[in-house]
Amino acid sequence: EVQLVESGGGVVQPGESLRLSCVASGFTFDDYAMHWVRQVPGKGLEWVSLISGDGTNTYYSDSVKGRFTISRDNSKNSLFLQMNSLRTEDTAFYYCARPLRYFDWLLHSYFYYGMDVWGQGTTVTVSS
Amino acid sequence: SYELTQPPSMSVSPRQTARITCSGDVLAKQYGYWYQQKPGQAPVLVIYKDSERPSGTPERFSGSSSGTTVTLTISGVQAEDEADYYCQSADSGGSYWVFGGGTKLTVL
Repeated sequence: EVQLVESGGGVVQPGESLRLSCVASGFTFDDYAMHWVRQVPGKGLEWVSLISGDGTNTYYSDSVKGRFTISRDNSKNSLFLQMNSLRTEDTAFYYCARPLRYFDWLLHSYFYYGMDVWGQGTTVTVSS
Repeated sequence: SYELTQPPSMSVSPRQTARITCSGDVLAKQYGYWYQQKPGQAPVLVIYKDSERPSGTPERFSGSSSGTTVTLTISGVQAEDEADYYCQSADSGGSYWVFGGGTKLTVL
């Protein structure tokens, strides 16, 4: 069974740090780029960050660039989000997500689309 | 950055057709995606590449694209379709992703 399990959430004060983890199972982890997405309770979804399958390329939303760092350990099927200089507006439910992979027989190549596997999420609360 | 605009809410009677739109300049050149999210649950991808259904998405869900707008159509709406729906897209390199604000669909 394909599964993503997040952990590491908690309650911290503004300016503090937190490291989220996401452990994958049921698929070849390093075949896939991976995302972090967050959601403020009662609000919409916000894309946070993306990392390539081999970990060499990373991308961030404007709201977290310079404060958050995405990384992965493919030997442990694990994805991470290091969150520094946390702000109250970072309070949210954090999900890791995997793209949908489609094999194009004509082009004989894999293509990746959207986010079709999600974890159950972990809660981050930043409050003084 | 990019922006995607959805109506905040809409309501529909059972067995009717719901059409949820999502507009943004990025959609003129990039694919749109749709997610369904029910209370207390993670989002579920229901449409990718504007109009493709992942395995498991009921056939009553369909997607279309025209210009800078993508549309999610739910034909023969059922009570279980009551949920929040989010559109999504990305830049040409797939390195910057954005969600619409979400549409709360109420089944009357």
